[in-house]
Amino acid sequence: EPEVTQTPSHQVTQMGQEVILRCVPISNHLYFYWYRQILGQKVEFLVSFYNNEISEKSEIFDDQFSVERPDGSNFTLKIRSTKLEDSAMYFCASSVGAATNEKLFFGSGTQLSVL
Amino acid sequence: GESVGLHLPTLSVQEGDNSIINCAYSNSASDYFIWYKQESGKGPQFIIDIRSNMDKRQGQRVTVLLNKTVKHLSLQIAATQPGDSAVYFCAETSGANNLFFGTGTRLTVIP
Repeated sequence: EPEVTQTPSHQVTQMGQEVILRCVPISNHLYFYWYRQILGQKVEFLVSFYNNEISEKSEIFDDQFSVERPDGSNFTLKIRSTKLEDSAMYFCASSVGAATNEKLFFGSGTQLSVL
Repeated sequence: GESVGLHLPTLSVQEGDNSIINCAYSNSASDYFIWYKQESGKGPQFIIDIRSNMDKRQGQRVTVLLNKTVKHLSLQIAATQPGDSAVYFCAETSGANNLFFGTGTRLTVIP
């Protein structure tokens, strides 16, 4: 069964450093998402992306965050200058159609630890 | 803003019993609801979905009930098995291209 893949599975970084989290969505999907989950808490929406532009973003997704689809297969989340509170599990997801109509498929996540 | 929450943070059931996990939502415009299962160290996994024009939907061993009058959603798991132990999240969307998750219920199946 096709799946969303994320790399790396774990990322440790120093506060203030830039990180790039990578995702390969399912190949025929057109909508892409990033979510995060702080330990023990609910999954929080960050951003959705369609047709090479952001379609929705949350308050969490401030100027320190950016997303990109650099080629036909990858979807990346960049955090420009990491803060301690950015430590979380980051999930990429994709769907065939918009989240209003189609279920999202999630990757296994990247655990980001900011020291 | 939207709010999706769960009544109980933990639920323990005996293997073979039925499980019922509840979820309340506050946005009356929500029109698509999904239950996800999350096992330790993994991403959310789709279980079942339901649209607002329905009040019940059945899958394999799972049933979702939607009560729009009281903005309540439930997930019923029949003959719960040890492999069902996980955190269950309800999620909803209301026309925007995002999905809001509830806080999750941890289901523990006792052998």
